Amino acid sequence: SQQGEEDPQALSIQEGENATMNCSYKTSINNLQWYRQNSGRGLVHLILIRSNEREKHSGRLRVTLDTSKKSSSLLITASRAADTASYFCASSYNQGGKLIFGQGTELSVKP
Amino acid sequence: DTGVSQNPRHKITKRGQNVTFRCDPISEHNRLYWYRQTLGQGPEFLTYFQNEAQLEKSRLLSDRFSAERPKGSFSTLEIQRTEQGDSAMYLCASSLRSGDTEAFFGQGTRLTVV
Repeated sequence: SQQGEEDPQALSIQEGENATMNCSYKTSINNLQWYRQNSGRGLVHLILIRSNEREKHSGRLRVTLDTSKKSSSLLITASRAADTASYFCASSYNQGGKLIFGQGTELSVKP
Repeated sequence: DTGVSQNPRHKITKRGQNVTFRCDPISEHNRLYWYRQTLGQGPEFLTYFQNEAQLEKSRLLSDRFSAERPKGSFSTLEIQRTEQGDSAMYLCASSLRSGDTEAFFGQGTRLTVV
């Protein structure tokens, strides 16, 4: 069974607005990763945050990690229509690198 | 193109037939993973290899499923006696040996069992 839970399941915003997606997981992790998936395509890695990190930035992306609450959030600032996609968090909890994905947030950015 | 390559991209098969998918990982990556994704869900882990050794298999991987990575490079995933419930996107990913690095995914093989 999938370990992660994400909310919201769907998010619709206007171009230029910020989008925030949340993820919770169940067991201690080595790292947590966020991926983007355009409809019917493969996953594209966005950002990785390690268990000893609390915040990480990459371009318009900001990820936070709260290990005490077993949760993470992904913020996309100044969204663009091209950001329309499904976003998944994935937790890695052993050295094998296996990822446990959440169910995803479907983001729609309207021009 | 140095990304992860999967073939075929689409496969339609009749129930009961066998199918085989291929994955070519990024050349320097030791680890190779297979995931399955159904509509509206996140990918679910199936199995992974470190070089040619299959180190972990999910309970999702029934005895009709078999995966190989004979020379530690490309991998194949075979499904025998396909069932309609096998219809899904099958994703392959690869990563460097360390478990603390990102995984790179292929475009997937979409299987439809009719």
